[in-house]
Amino acid sequence: KAGVTQTPRYLIKTRGQQVTLSCSPISGHRSVSWYQQTPGQGLQFLFEYFSETQRNKGNFPGRFSGRQFSNSRSEMNVSTLELGDSALYLCASSYLAPSTDTQYFGPGTRLTVL
Amino acid sequence: SQKIEQNSEALNIQEGKTATLTCNYTNYSPAYLQWYRQDPGRGPVFLLLIRENEKEKRKERLKVTFDTTLKQSLFHITASQPADSATYLCALAGSSGSARQLTFGSGTQLTVLP
Repeated sequence: KAGVTQTPRYLIKTRGQQVTLSCSPISGHRSVSWYQQTPGQGLQFLFEYFSETQRNKGNFPGRFSGRQFSNSRSEMNVSTLELGDSALYLCASSYLAPSTDTQYFGPGTRLTVL
Repeated sequence: SQKIEQNSEALNIQEGKTATLTCNYTNYSPAYLQWYRQDPGRGPVFLLLIRENEKEKRKERLKVTFDTTLKQSLFHITASQPADSATYLCALAGSSGSARQLTFGSGTQLTVLP
């Protein structure tokens, strides 16, 4: 079956702009999690959605938001971009819960903020 | 605050030897511990999950141990091959509520020398 897909793969934005990233999970998976990966902070949890509801949220400012649609596809939005938001944004899906099920990651979206 | 440490940032070993990677944690009582492999420019790939009541888990050449008294997990790759060269990440999760989100270590970059 098809893996987790993320679009776009690369994005360049300027400070102050906003960005929307998209994630299509593996068919049948209801949990979608988002992570930010940077060389300095490593892989950090942003939020998790399950059946269109945010189930968990990491320690990120309110500029970071997300949503999940009825077909389990998910989007995350970052408003008022800052230079420090430059990172690899990874989406992962699992059947029920990322802590207990195999979690499949997408290839990521590389965001550069100038 | 919760802290996860993975031994050295980089580990070099000779082909055919056993690689042992360490994941230590403090101020945390995880119910689940996972190991992932990440290649440059790609999303992490799930390898193994071990629960707090399990001492050891094996999968082909991989073995994971979980010692809740020492607050440590060891990840072994036996008969290592150059293709095993990658960054290996450990991730921990609690059993309920917000603790169910995965917290990742910073990773150990393993290089297997031919």
